[in-house]
Amino acid sequence: QSALTQPASVSGSPGQSIAISCTGTSSDIGGYNYVSWYQQLPGKAPKLMVYDVSNRPSGISDRFSGSKSGNTASLTISGLQAEDEGDYYCTSFRSSGTRYVFGTGTTVTVL
Amino acid sequence: QVQLVQSGAEVKKPGASVKVSCKASGYTFTSYGISWVRQAPGQGLEWMGWISAYNGNTNYAQKLQGRVTMTTDTSTSTAYMELRSLRSDDTAVYYCARSEPGPLDYWGQGTLVTVSS
Repeated sequence: QSALTQPASVSGSPGQSIAISCTGTSSDIGGYNYVSWYQQLPGKAPKLMVYDVSNRPSGISDRFSGSKSGNTASLTISGLQAEDEGDYYCTSFRSSGTRYVFGTGTTVTVL
Repeated sequence: QVQLVQSGAEVKKPGASVKVSCKASGYTFTSYGISWVRQAPGQGLEWMGWISAYNGNTNYAQKLQGRVTMTTDTSTSTAYMELRSLRSDDTAVYYCARSEPGPLDYWGQGTLVTVSS
């Protein structure tokens, strides 16, 4: 039941766009459109940013967008802002074994 | 507004059990499930399992099967997560979150469970 693979860190300057990848297999990301992304600020509970690959909950800025190609999902943050600094986790439904699995997490730094 | 309020921090000895509560408000409790997620110090998120508040159906992470039990009390809109035979690597912040399952759209504030002799 290995975790989904994310880069450990991604950085960018204010106003730039960055993308965070999340790689799985055909048994999870590649087989289902049940990918979600969460933002976790230091000392806080995670917050849902994107669900079902590309949908945003009410109140989430349209600077956050999600996509998927094959076994890899991506979260793009456009117009990067200082308040976007934090950890980001993907998650996906998995067809067998442990039904939901998180990614390894990515720390976003605004330079 | 949807709120999930968890019980307070716990300190337990190895081999003991812990039961964390999660009281929901602001929505119809039985229309959603509750997922439990934990985070060891400095580590990532780990999905522990899910329970339907409608019928009590559960789905647990394989590595926790046999040690974890999730329950709900619909009369008080409260979910519970009990973890038995605690080990030092169970030290973590435990979160509850509303889910159908699927997206975890509202989260509790977290409960720190420390396992230490």
